[in-house]
Amino acid sequence: SQQGEEDPQALSIQEGENATMNCSYKTSINNLQWYRQNSGRGLVHLILIRSNEREKHSGRLRVTLDTSKKSSSLLITASRAADTASYFCAPYTGGGNKLTFGTGTQLKVEL
Amino acid sequence: DTAVSQTPKYLVTQMGNDKSIKCEQNLGHDTMYWYKQDSKKFLKIMFSYNNKELIINETVPNRFSPKSPDKAHLNLHINSLELGDSAVYFCASSQGLGDYGYTFGSGTRLTVV
Repeated sequence: SQQGEEDPQALSIQEGENATMNCSYKTSINNLQWYRQNSGRGLVHLILIRSNEREKHSGRLRVTLDTSKKSSSLLITASRAADTASYFCAPYTGGGNKLTFGTGTQLKVEL
Repeated sequence: DTAVSQTPKYLVTQMGNDKSIKCEQNLGHDTMYWYKQDSKKFLKIMFSYNNKELIINETVPNRFSPKSPDKAHLNLHINSLELGDSAVYFCASSQGLGDYGYTFGSGTRLTVV
């Protein structure tokens, strides 16, 4: 298993702007998952992108995966105050390995 | 209708005590997990059970003992609590180990005083 590293550690934007978070990992993956954690709550699964996919959308979320660079990005378009949360990436290497998380990107969307 | 439910939500206890956290999922998933989140938000896996069988057992003190009476339940018992055990403990479940997303409970904030 391996841990993803999210960048930046913290991000502050105005409502309506787009937010981009990046994730880097070290070895080949089966898939990569993004999660959101609101303050005082559990993690919520957002998107899973498989190694043979390059881009995936879900509502205002867009995830890209570049396996050659071992990186992924999460774009939130037209951000809202309710998007304020920590965002975690979790690369999954398959083979029964565990899913591990980094320390996340703390996003703050200001009115 | 909660998918993964943990109890209690908050637990304040003295050093040396023994406590348990319970977790139940109604999603029909075959794999359940315990994660520990520290004050820096780092999430570390502790244990994983697949159909009641322990499959992941990280380097966790023996004072922590998971128990899975059936595939819908995974409890965590902690003996002789220490100050360093203070953290938020999350239960999660999934179908398979990582091929699909995990569903997390809302966490149990454990404070050892």
